[in-house]
Amino acid sequence: EAGVAQSPRYKIIEKRQSVAFWCNPISGHATLYWYQQILGQGPKLLIQFQNNGVVDDSQLPKDRFSAERLKGVDSTLKIQPAKLEDSAVYLCASSSPQGVPTDTQYFGPGTRLTVL
Amino acid sequence: LAKTTQPISMDSYEGQEVNITCSHNNIATNDYITWYQQFPSQGPRFIIQGYKTKVTNEVASLFIPADRKSSTLSLPRVSLSDTAVYYCLVGEGPQTGANNLFFGTGTRLTVIP
Repeated sequence: EAGVAQSPRYKIIEKRQSVAFWCNPISGHATLYWYQQILGQGPKLLIQFQNNGVVDDSQLPKDRFSAERLKGVDSTLKIQPAKLEDSAVYLCASSSPQGVPTDTQYFGPGTRLTVL
Repeated sequence: LAKTTQPISMDSYEGQEVNITCSHNNIATNDYITWYQQFPSQGPRFIIQGYKTKVTNEVASLFIPADRKSSTLSLPRVSLSDTAVYYCLVGEGPQTGANNLFFGTGTRLTVIP
């Protein structure tokens, strides 16, 4: 079974520029998550999709971050404009209902963003 | 959403059993406890999940006392490849909207030869 795919793996931009990250979840997984992981910290949830609808985006800085999951499969996370503090690894994860309350999340390798 | 407290770091020699304890004093009735492992430059990986008493799989064991205010991840006979950050999460799960997606800072385990 193919895992969660993310691209690009690395991105370097200057502050105030825009950037987009792409995620392809495991086939058939209805739930998709985007996390931000700053160096030395645990991942922080930015947004959670169930199919193509948003379940939770309470921690997404909506003035600069946006995400979409058209057709309920692939997803794109965008930052516009980027700030220095956005330097982090952006992780995508997906899960599928297993009949228990807490679904196992499968993570992609992440995109390391450096904002100069 | 119950938050957790874990030791920041632990060291262990190869071949020893390692126990990492997580405190979650505000755990709710419907909350499950889930542990993830993260290697450098990789995303977290599910290890084990439980609700009460003891759960064991091919990788680890999870011990949960009756009051469920803490849990202990047990890794038997660790090897150098077990060096990673371990996260304890507590929550109901994605399907209910209130979910176990708060990772905290985790415990950095270093296995020494």
